[in-house]
Amino acid sequence: EIVLTQSPGTLSLSPGERATLSCRASQSVNNSYLAWYQQRPGQAPRLLIYGASTGATGIPDRFSGSGSGTDFTLTILRLEPEDFAVYYCQQYGSSRAITFGQGTRLEIK
Amino acid sequence: EVQLVESGGGLVQPGGSLRLSCAASGFSFRSYAMSWVRQAPGKGLEWVSGISASGGSTNYADSVKGRITISRDNSKNTLFLQMNSLRAEDTAVYYCAKDPVRYQFLLFFDCWGQGALVTVSS
Repeated sequence: EIVLTQSPGTLSLSPGERATLSCRASQSVNNSYLAWYQQRPGQAPRLLIYGASTGATGIPDRFSGSGSGTDFTLTILRLEPEDFAVYYCQQYGSSRAITFGQGTRLEIK
Repeated sequence: EVQLVESGGGLVQPGGSLRLSCAASGFSFRSYAMSWVRQAPGKGLEWVSGISASGGSTNYADSVKGRITISRDNSKNTLFLQMNSLRAEDTAVYYCAKDPVRYQFLLFFDCWGQGALVTVSS
């Protein structure tokens, strides 16, 4: 099973700032099959990025993903108030044994 | 508009059984693989099980293998999760979730329901 470790656990920033979230895999993720989700309190997760760098439908272009192999990054430019939430990475390239990271909480400073 | 609506959650005793349903609308249900993902209170996301568009292929997390069965009825646009021998650690909100690409079994998710709470307690 591929273990995904997200860092930092909590990130405190102000609106307008840039956020950089990391997701590190215990082994290489096949085909860069890595997705990012946003979860606001009391809501279901929302797909942001798939294939490590492809934005999902309707996602603002201030969200971008990068990386390959074992190291992946979600970048959010110019934070808006609605961006403060929990973010999860997920790998789906490992023989149906898909896994999520433990999450990064993005909070208002 | 794509909609996924879970039902069937509730309180069940340890060792008991429960069947969750997910009613789908707004898309061609029979063309997409589906999954169940759960979230224990205050915790992260855990994929539980997935099923191909036809229902001919299924996969399970090791933590639930042998206790949980995923199925679907494409004539009724409904996904199911039969849970047996439930344990306290199965307590969670259970989300049904849709694969994004027709006839693929990619196991990432572009649409989620609002979830059904399952509580396993005596």
